[in-house]
Order: sequence, then structure tokens, then C-alpha cells
Amino acid sequence: QQQVKQSPQSLIVQKGGISIINCAYENTAFDYFPWYQQFPGKGPALLIAIRPDVSEKKEGRFTISFNKSAKQFSLHIMDSQPGDSATYFCAAWGYNAGNMLTFGGGTRLMVKP
Amino acid sequence: DSGVTQTPKHLITATGQRVTLRCSPRSGDLSVYWYQQSLDQGLQFLIQYYNGEERAKGNILERFSAQQFPDLHSELNLSSLELGDSALYFCASSVGPQSSYNEQFFGPGTRLTVL
Repeated sequence: QQQVKQSPQSLIVQKGGISIINCAYENTAFDYFPWYQQFPGKGPALLIAIRPDVSEKKEGRFTISFNKSAKQFSLHIMDSQPGDSATYFCAAWGYNAGNMLTFGGGTRLMVKP
Repeated sequence: DSGVTQTPKHLITATGQRVTLRCSPRSGDLSVYWYQQSLDQGLQFLIQYYNGEERAKGNILERFSAQQFPDLHSELNLSSLELGDSALYFCASSVGPQSSYNEQFFGPGTRLTVL
């Protein structure tokens, strides 16, 4: 059972545009929501994370928006750059949700110059 | 470079065989996590060890087993291999036992191909 659903599967954005990736979860026991960035041939790396006590977190060009009532969260990449081209994974964790990171299916982002 | 090392980088073997994947965590990290990444299943958590003890278990097959040694390196053993076991296997490490307050650092992965 996929507990974290991610969309879209792939995304093409022009340089300077805004990339938006969405995730939805089912288990209300999740209380930590990280995003990971993965380049080809590399392991995932933590990009930014949020806890449900805040609705938004911004780090540089990357922003997480969190809607607890809708059980949804999204990643916004402002001023997208070709170097942002990678696969992005949302994830969720909760001690009472199995004490493990549950990942979304991933979004392959391509930023065109 | 995350500081997590995994060996080998690539492994090609036949169905029915057994392989061992090795992971060395970052210096100072006590937790080790194993993940499987395949095209159809995405990134799946397998198992976590903290300071030598199993702390969390995901959908790890009975044919798979892992352990963490006193020097904190970990090994993932995969036996009776099937074609469907072909995947990227990642190891990650973190300082503490819980993954919400301790960032997980991923290694470069081992690509397993079962023929």
C-alpha cells in the first residue's frame, strides 16, 4: 500500500520558472516530511524538511508548503535552474507510523536552459 | 560525498546465488539504514540498525538479512536471488536512532543485477 502519493512523475520547466511537486499522505501518524534530491548515479540527499506545526518552510529557492487538514504537502522550486534537474522524492516519517521513512514515487525534473 | 561508503559499486550474479553488500557509515553515526530502489517499487525501506541492534523493519524479504558489527559497519545479505531482486541498494546513516531529528546521509549505492 502506497502511503505517500507523489505527482507528477515527470516535469519539464523552463529556466527561471517555478517547479511544483505535490505529495499526499494517508497516515495521520506521520509527523516529519522531508524532501530528497537525487542526481543520476548518486544516492538521495536531504533537500529540505518540515514538521506539521508549521505551514511553510523556505530555504533559499526551495519552499515546502504543508496543509495538515488536506494531508498534502508540496515542494516549490523558484527560479528553477538546469542544475536543479534531478529526481525529487517526498517522504514521510512518524514513530507511530512504523518508525521508517516512507517515500513517494519520485518526480523527474528537467529544467530547460 | 556524503561520507557513507558502499561496496561493491556493481554486482552481477545469477539467480539462486547469495551476495553480501557492505556499508560503512559516516564517522560518528550509530544508525544504519538499508533501502532498495527499483523502477517499479521506488525507494523502499528495508531495515535499520542502531548501535548493533535492529530498530525498525520494513518490507524486507525473509531471504534478506542484515547485521551491524561492533565497528558499526553493516552488511546486507541477499540469498536465493531472483530476477526481481535486481535493483539499487542504498545504505544511509545518521547520528541517532530516530530519523525525524537525525538527517539520513545516503551512500552511492550498490547496483545489483541478477541474471
